[in-house]
Amino acid sequence: QVHLAESGGGVVQPGKSLRLSCAASGFTLSNYAMHWVRQAPGKGLEWVAIISYDGRNKFYADSVKGRFSISRDNSKSTLYLQMNSLRAEDTAFYYCVKDQGITMSLGIDQWGQGTLVTVSS
Amino acid sequence: DIQMTQSPSSLSASVGDRVTITCRATQGITNYLAWFQQEPGKAPKSLIYAASSLQSGVPSRFSGSGSGTDFTLTISSLQPEDFATYYCQQYNNYPYTFGQGTKLEIK
Repeated sequence: QVHLAESGGGVVQPGKSLRLSCAASGFTLSNYAMHWVRQAPGKGLEWVAIISYDGRNKFYADSVKGRFSISRDNSKSTLYLQMNSLRAEDTAFYYCVKDQGITMSLGIDQWGQGTLVTVSS
Repeated sequence: DIQMTQSPSSLSASVGDRVTITCRATQGITNYLAWFQQEPGKAPKSLIYAASSLQSGVPSRFSGSGSGTDFTLTISSLQPEDFATYYCQQYNNYPYTFGQGTKLEIK
């Protein structure tokens, strides 16, 4: 049974950094592309980033490009999101998401429960 | 970027009703279109990928259709657990983008 467990959320000041982690279990992480998707409280879903199975290919939403970095450690079955220069508008639930594809997306199939990041002074 | 527009934004229906939600892309995305369901306070759940393929475990009352720029999600006979918010997402072009959501409420 696929399980995705995000951690690392919390309250952070504007301009600071935070790293989210996602522990994957129930499947072989190295066989799939992975995403981060976020949702501001009371708002819709926003795609953030995707990383290929081997970590070589990464793509980002314009709103986070240059500030966020997605990475993975397949030996630890863990996905990461390094968030720098955080802004108030980055406040959201961040979901770790599994794809059916390897390099590009063939469709999202599993979601974690999410971790809340609040950017506030 | 490709914009995804869902209609309606909200919908009231009764148990047993047949409902259809539409999603339109600003440019062609072949069939790289997914649908998700989100209940209040919960993480989204994947329903459909490749415009019309059901994810494992999704009831057959859900169906999807379309290609190019116009897509639909149909629920053939609404059940109490179906009242939620539904999102479409294109994954043909980066950045991947979601529709704004359709809230399905009980009449």
